Amino acid sequence: GEDVEQSLFLSVREGDSSVINCTYTDSSSTYLYWYKQEPGAGLQLLTYIFSNMDMKQDQRLTVLLNKKDKHLSLRIADTQTGDSAIYFCAELSDGGYQKVTFGTGTKLQVIP
Amino acid sequence: DADVTQTPRNRITKTGKRIMLECSQTKGHDRMYWYRQDPGLGLRLIYYSFDVKDINKGEISDGYSVSRQAQAKFSLSLESAIPNQTALYFCATSDRGLDAGYTFGSGTRLTVV
Repeated sequence: GEDVEQSLFLSVREGDSSVINCTYTDSSSTYLYWYKQEPGAGLQLLTYIFSNMDMKQDQRLTVLLNKKDKHLSLRIADTQTGDSAIYFCAELSDGGYQKVTFGTGTKLQVIP
Repeated sequence: DADVTQTPRNRITKTGKRIMLECSQTKGHDRMYWYRQDPGLGLRLIYYSFDVKDINKGEISDGYSVSRQAQAKFSLSLESAIPNQTALYFCATSDRGLDAGYTFGSGTRLTVV
């Protein structure tokens, strides 16, 4: 079945860039997403990239997709303490049921 | 009001008890989902529904049941709760065009003692 993997933890200093990585196994992925979960809250969609794109930029966020290696990354420029959260990668499979598979989540800690 | 509302926010229940978690959405979407979140395991799909008459099992449906009472309402039941069902439960909704992703509720933290 589909598998989406992320490292569990990342720690960065305020003002530095953060890079959160994700690998997936499903070659039929159409959309790939990044969600953010703040403490005590549900997941909130941050951004997404369509599988025929290599890069997408949205203010401080840059998403890079290497479809050959099935690798997705999220770069957060000028990381702030408010960016501390758990970040989930997710991929949409273009099967009979459009199934979204979530990664395990990466907890980002921003040190002031 | 939130787009997706889950009740209760927190619940402690005893082993063997029946419990229902409720979810309602104001997005007008047809599709609704129930996930559970466990530390280090991410989100796992319990059940999903593409419309009122369409309900499907997800990857971990054993021990759970659902009811889609209306387009806006999707409830999850634990018929006989057990301790390993202690988790954070999320309801979500989506449109057919999935570029907008899912809209999640704030979650229900369930503890089974």
